[in-house]
This record gives sequence, C-alpha cells and structure tokens, in this order.
Amino acid sequence: EMQLLESGGALVQPGGSLRLSCAASGFIFRSFGMSWVRRAPGRGLEWVSTISGDGVNTYYADSVEGRFTISRDNSKNTLYLQMNSLGGEDTALYYCAKDHLDYDTSGYNTYGAFDIWGQGTLVTVPS
Amino acid sequence: DIQMTQSPSILSASVGDRVTITCRASQSLNNWLAWYQQIPGKAPKLLIYEASTLKSGVPSRFSGSGSGTDFTLTISSLQPDDFATYYCQQYDTYPWTFGQGTKVEIK
Repeated sequence: EMQLLESGGALVQPGGSLRLSCAASGFIFRSFGMSWVRRAPGRGLEWVSTISGDGVNTYYADSVEGRFTISRDNSKNTLYLQMNSLGGEDTALYYCAKDHLDYDTSGYNTYGAFDIWGQGTLVTVPS
Repeated sequence: DIQMTQSPSILSASVGDRVTITCRASQSLNNWLAWYQQIPGKAPKLLIYEASTLKSGVPSRFSGSGSGTDFTLTISSLQPDDFATYYCQQYDTYPWTFGQGTKVEIK
C-alpha cells in the first residue's frame, strides 16, 4: 500500500525555522515528483513546492520562494521541506503529496495531479 | 499566475441529486486540470485528472469535462459519502494553483 507520513510540525516563533519530513513507502519513490501543499485555518488548499524524482528540478510558490527549500533523499525514501523566516501566514497543515504519473508514463519530470497524500503535519506560527 | 475560480462556493443538495461544480481558469490549461474531494479531517482525494480522466477506483458517478478555460465536475447522483469540499487545480503552469473550493452540504 502506498503511504506518506509527515512529521516535524511544531509551534515556532516568528522568524524561526523548521524542517518537515515525509516518509514514503509502497512505491518506487525516486520515480515520482513530490510536492508540499498546505491548508491554512479556514482557507483552501495552497500549493507550496515541487521537486522532480531525481531531485534536480525544484519549484516554489511566490509566497515561499527564498524562504523554503524542498529536497529529497531517494536512498531514504524521504521528502523534506526546510522552512526559514516563518511568519503567521505560514500557519497551516502541511501535506506531502505524490505525483499520480511518473516520468516514464507522462514524459514530464513533474506531473502535478496528486494521487497519494499524507495526513498532514501542523505548523503554527503565532502572529 | 493562473487564477482558478470555482462556483458556487457552497452548494446545498439532497441525496440522489445531480450536482455540477464549475471551475474557470484565467488562461487556457491544455486540459492539465485535476479535481479533488476533501472530507473534514481527511487528506484530499484525487478524483479526476487531465480534465476528464477518472482515477482508478473512483465511482463512475463522478465525471469531469471541459477544455481551455472552463471545466466542470459532475456528480450524477449524490451519495451520503459525497458531502465534502471539492477543489479544482491547474498543473499547466507553475505556480500550480487551486480553486477556492466548493462545499457540498446537505439540503
């Protein structure tokens, strides 16, 4: 069974840093692009960042560009999100999510429709 | 950035009703559009990708249609498990963006 399990969420003071992790199992991790998506309290889903299966290509939302860094360790089947200079606007439940199609099937190094999601990890930054 | 606008924001319906949710993009998407269902306390679930392709295992009462900038999600006969919030998402151009969501509630 394909699964994603996030960890690392916490209460952090404004200006602080945090690293989220997402452990993957049940699929060939290195073959799929992976993403972080967040949902702030009372709001909808917001795409945050994406990384290709080989880790070479990364993409960010304008709201986190320059503050957040996505990375992955394919030997550990783990995705990361390093978050710096955190502010109240970053308070949210953070989900990791797997691309539905891999490169061999789609022809793209990242696909963009997400078929497997974790349960989320909560980041709280007092404003 | 591509803006995604869903309508309505809230939809009241009864079990057995046919339900349609629309999603409009601020520019053409070449059909790189997905639909998700989110039940409170649960992670989002992929229903439709590439505008009209039903994900394996998703009930056939769900369908997606549209092209260019205008897309729809249709539930042919609403079931009790379908009361949830639905989101469209474009993955044509970075930054990928979601619609604001449509809450389907019991009438």
